[in-house]
Amino acid sequence: EVRLVESGGGLVKPGGSLRLSCAASGFSFSVAWMRWVRLTPGKGLEWLGQIRSRKDGETADYAAPVRGRFTFSRDDSKDTVYLQMNSLKTEDTAVYYCTTDWGVGSPHLGELSLWGQGTRVTVSS
Amino acid sequence: EIVMTQSPLSLPVTPGEPASISCRSSQSLLDRNGYTFLHWYLQKPGQSPQLLIYSGSNRASGVPDRFSGSGSGTDFTLKISRVEAEDVGLYYCMQALQIPWTFGQGTKVEIK
Repeated sequence: EVRLVESGGGLVKPGGSLRLSCAASGFSFSVAWMRWVRLTPGKGLEWLGQIRSRKDGETADYAAPVRGRFTFSRDDSKDTVYLQMNSLKTEDTAVYYCTTDWGVGSPHLGELSLWGQGTRVTVSS
Repeated sequence: EIVMTQSPLSLPVTPGEPASISCRSSQSLLDRNGYTFLHWYLQKPGQSPQLLIYSGSNRASGVPDRFSGSGSGTDFTLKISRVEAEDVGLYYCMQALQIPWTFGQGTKVEIK
């Protein structure tokens, strides 16, 4: 079965850190560009960024609100992508999803056809 | 960044009746190769988002044919020909022409 499974969410104090994981199965993870999107009650869906495949340089792009605080990484031997979140703020409270364009010819198109179930992060003192 | 604006933000609908959601982008989403970088997603209550329509007018796999997308350039529309109870949720348009990818504010479709 083709799936993504996030884990690692929880309650953290402002200024704290958390690492989310997203485990992939059922497809060629090593060639997939992986994205992170979050859902906040006030702002809806927000694209956080992406990490390219190793063959495409394994480079990352970040949205402005998280640039410098969040870091994407991947371990192709474990079919897993990570989201390291530092200097967390209350406004980072959200459900975090990993997603990718599985079954689509090009990773540049934005056709996010596969989503994980999400993991909830609450930043509160 | 490209700003996406949806309307309405709330849409009460009667089952069996049509529904329509508008999405406008701050710049054209048509690239020089003819691909339209505008997609529609639906997030049903308690579920993850799902791809509904890609490249403006193409239904994703498994999406019922009561859903259709249209538009070009900066103005796009998602239509449901006959709303069913299972169609409730938040509908988002998203542009992927330019990083950062950006979503509209979301349109909440609910049954009257």
